[in-house]
Amino acid sequence: DAGVIQSPRHEVTEMGQEVTLRCKPISGHDYLFWYRQTMMRGLELLIYFNNNVPIDDSGMPEDRFSAKMPNASFSTLKIQPSEPRDSAVYFCASSSSSGSERANVLTFGAGSRLTVL
Amino acid sequence: DQQVKQNSPSLSVQEGRISILNCDYTNSMFDYFLWYKKYPAEGPTFLISISSIKDKNEDGRFTVFLNKSAKHLSLHIVPSQPGDSAVYFCAASPFSSGSARQLTFGSGTQLTVLP
Repeated sequence: DAGVIQSPRHEVTEMGQEVTLRCKPISGHDYLFWYRQTMMRGLELLIYFNNNVPIDDSGMPEDRFSAKMPNASFSTLKIQPSEPRDSAVYFCASSSSSGSERANVLTFGAGSRLTVL
Repeated sequence: DQQVKQNSPSLSVQEGRISILNCDYTNSMFDYFLWYKKYPAEGPTFLISISSIKDKNEDGRFTVFLNKSAKHLSLHIVPSQPGDSAVYFCAASPFSSGSARQLTFGSGTQLTVLP
């Protein structure tokens, strides 16, 4: 398996523009997570899905952020309009619901580094 | 309110010596703990975990210790190698409550192993 695939790896955009980040989870994983890493707040959970359904989006900072998972192999995180304070590394991760403690182990993608000018 | 705290942003250790990374948590519902390692330009990768029913878990050079009464865990790396240089994240979850998916991460500790 190629692991969790994220694109783009780097995105530089101007304030006010729409940004779309993409994620392909590991095949067979039924949980998908979006995290954001910043110097100030570390790794924070934005939203997670189970079987393509959003379960908890309490970490989504504002209405400017939205996430979708139209099928088991694809998810997007959209920021519209983007602001300089959104600059961060956004990680997608997936895991499976085996029911064991091991199910807590998330597999992360390489991340998408977003810079909003 | 940080529920998982890594108070040392950085740590430097000589190759061959022991590295000790510390983590404190405040939420008494946390009962499963993990350490992730992150290299630059890569995502975090799982390293080792421990359940609250144990106080120690060992995997090769890596050992995690859990002190539930102090709400403290630590990661020991012996012997440390230059390839261990990375950011280490502590994470915790309330597994038994059914909210296993909600991992809370610390802010990370940058470990540098000097040759």
